[in-house]
Amino acid sequence: SQQGEEDPQALSIQEGENATMNCSYKTSINNLQWYRQNSGRGLVHLILIRSNEREKHSGRLRVTLDTSKKSSSLLITASRAADTASYFCATDKNSGNTPLVFGKGTRLSVIA
Amino acid sequence: GAGVSQTPSNKVTEKGKYVELRCDPISGHTALYWYRQSLGQGPEFLIYFQGTGAADDSGLPNDRFFAVRPEGSVSTLKIQRTERGDSAVYLCASSLFRVEDTGELFFGEGSRLTVL
Repeated sequence: SQQGEEDPQALSIQEGENATMNCSYKTSINNLQWYRQNSGRGLVHLILIRSNEREKHSGRLRVTLDTSKKSSSLLITASRAADTASYFCATDKNSGNTPLVFGKGTRLSVIA
Repeated sequence: GAGVSQTPSNKVTEKGKYVELRCDPISGHTALYWYRQSLGQGPEFLIYFQGTGAADDSGLPNDRFFAVRPEGSVSTLKIQRTERGDSAVYLCASSLFRVEDTGELFFGEGSRLTVL
């Protein structure tokens, strides 16, 4: 079963624009993570936000977390063609070290 | 090694055959995970090892699937009597163990299994 659900499923933008992807989840969490996957490759960790944090930045990435709404967003600013990939949110459970559960992902296309 | 290594990268087999997929995690990572990913979907959890023992195998779809990690490092995912529906990319990931929560996972490039 998949805990997180990303929205939209697919997003196409022009280079230089900002891309926003959303994730909703169902149960209480310790943290929420975002991963990126280039076509045919493994997943790469982007950022982790803990349940007691509301916002986190890393370079051109900005992640927000709203535990009352059980939702998170990933913002990529000033997008580049190289940002073209699938983006997944993943959550653990609020009970120590548990396997991450991934959503279905958002496929981002950045057009040069 | 520098990263998580998975072999083979590609495996084509016939329905009913037995398959083994290997994962070599990052040295020192005690947590090891197997996921399965179908086209256009997110990774689906299969099994999680903490050291040598399977801490959570609730994601294994049926008893044809089995995984081992005898020395707490390399893990092998074993699939018996393969079916066409087993075709997918099998991803392995490892991480440092944290008591309080689950940290960053480091993924391998995956093993693409095709069952004809």
